[in-house]
Amino acid sequence: EVQLVESGGGLVKPGGSLRLSCTASGFDFSAYTMNWVRQAPGKGLEWVSSINSGSYFIYYADSLKGRFTVSRDNAKNSLFLEMSNLRVEDTAVYYCARDGPFTGEEFDYWGQGTLVTVSS
Amino acid sequence: SYELTQPPSVSVSPGQTARITCSGDASPQQYAYWYQQKPGQAPVLVIYKVSERPSGIPERFSGSRSGTTVTLTISGVQAEDEADYYCQSADSTGNNVIFGGGTKLTVL
Repeated sequence: EVQLVESGGGLVKPGGSLRLSCTASGFDFSAYTMNWVRQAPGKGLEWVSSINSGSYFIYYADSLKGRFTVSRDNAKNSLFLEMSNLRVEDTAVYYCARDGPFTGEEFDYWGQGTLVTVSS
Repeated sequence: SYELTQPPSVSVSPGQTARITCSGDASPQQYAYWYQQKPGQAPVLVIYKVSERPSGIPERFSGSRSGTTVTLTISGVQAEDEADYYCQSADSTGNNVIFGGGTKLTVL
């Protein structure tokens, strides 16, 4: 069974940093592009970043302006998101999601998310 | 910047047909995807490649495209279909993922 479990969320002050993790199981993690998607309270989905299987191709939403860094450790079946200079508007549930097998653009499995709250 | 536009809400009675549109300036050749999200849960893929249905998704869910507008159709809506629905595509580079703003489907 495919499972994605996020961790690392919590309360952080504006300007602070946080590192999110996503631990995968039930599939060959090293073969899949992985993504981070966030959802602010009561708002819609917003794609954050994607990283391909070998970490060669990495993309970010323009709105992040270089504050976030995605990485992965295939040996540990883990995906990471380093967030710095956090703003109140970064408050959201952060999901990790796997690229699907159909076109590689869809997200076929999602974790349950981890909540990041940026507040003073 | 590239955007996908969805109606904020759609309401239907049980057994009727719900249609949720998603309009953008993408090339008609770009694929579109649909997700269902119920309160407190992660999104679930219900349509991929505009009109294909993943295994386990009921046949009442279907997708179509006309020009640069894609439509999610739910035939014979059931109470359990009440949820938020999001369309997704990619920008012209194919490297940036775009989500529509979401549509709240209410089953009256």
